[in-house]
Amino acid sequence: QVQLVESGGGVVQPGGSLRLSCAASGFTFSSYGMHWVRQAPGKGLEWVAFIRYDGSNKYYADSVKGRFTISRDNSKSTLYLQVNSLRTEDTAVYYCANSYGTSRYFQVWGQGTLVPVSS
Amino acid sequence: EIVMTQSPATLSVSPGERATLSCRASQSVGINLAWYQQKPGQAPRLLIYGASTRSTGIPARFSGSGSGTEFTLTISSLQSEDFAVYYCQQYNNWPPLTFGGGTKVEIK
Repeated sequence: QVQLVESGGGVVQPGGSLRLSCAASGFTFSSYGMHWVRQAPGKGLEWVAFIRYDGSNKYYADSVKGRFTISRDNSKSTLYLQVNSLRTEDTAVYYCANSYGTSRYFQVWGQGTLVPVSS
Repeated sequence: EIVMTQSPATLSVSPGERATLSCRASQSVGINLAWYQQKPGQAPRLLIYGASTRSTGIPARFSGSGSGTEFTLTISSLQSEDFAVYYCQQYNNWPPLTFGGGTKVEIK
């Protein structure tokens, strides 16, 4: 079945870096746009970044622009998020999700990976 | 940036009753509006896209309506598994893609 599995989360100090991964299976990964969405503890959902199916276009929320980088490896059906210069306000569960065609709603979500930023 | 506002923040409903959730956009999003359900400790799940189209496997008791700036999610007869937080999201004008703050549907 269609599945997205995130990994790479963990405690990191302010100013630190991490690389999150999202392994996809059960669908043609190279045909889907991919997103990262985060949720701070007890809060709502915040879109973070998007990458086009072929990696040709990338978009970011203003809150992470210049610090986070989204990328993908279609040969490995894997999505990445490099997170640098982390701040305490980046503490959240990070979800990956897919979208198809030009409609940017989130069809399938992973289970999330927690990134606590704390000294 | 399009701001999405959901009301009420919390809705207390008895099982079997109807629940009506509202979502308002700060400017028109056409019908480019999706609804998600999130249960505690779980990832969100897509319920509705295109304002009114149910996603695969979503029961018929969930229905969406509206266009422009005003949208509604209706759950016709609440089941125990429907108590959760519901989010709307616009995808008409982006980046950024934006969500409402959520409506928690709790047992009355």
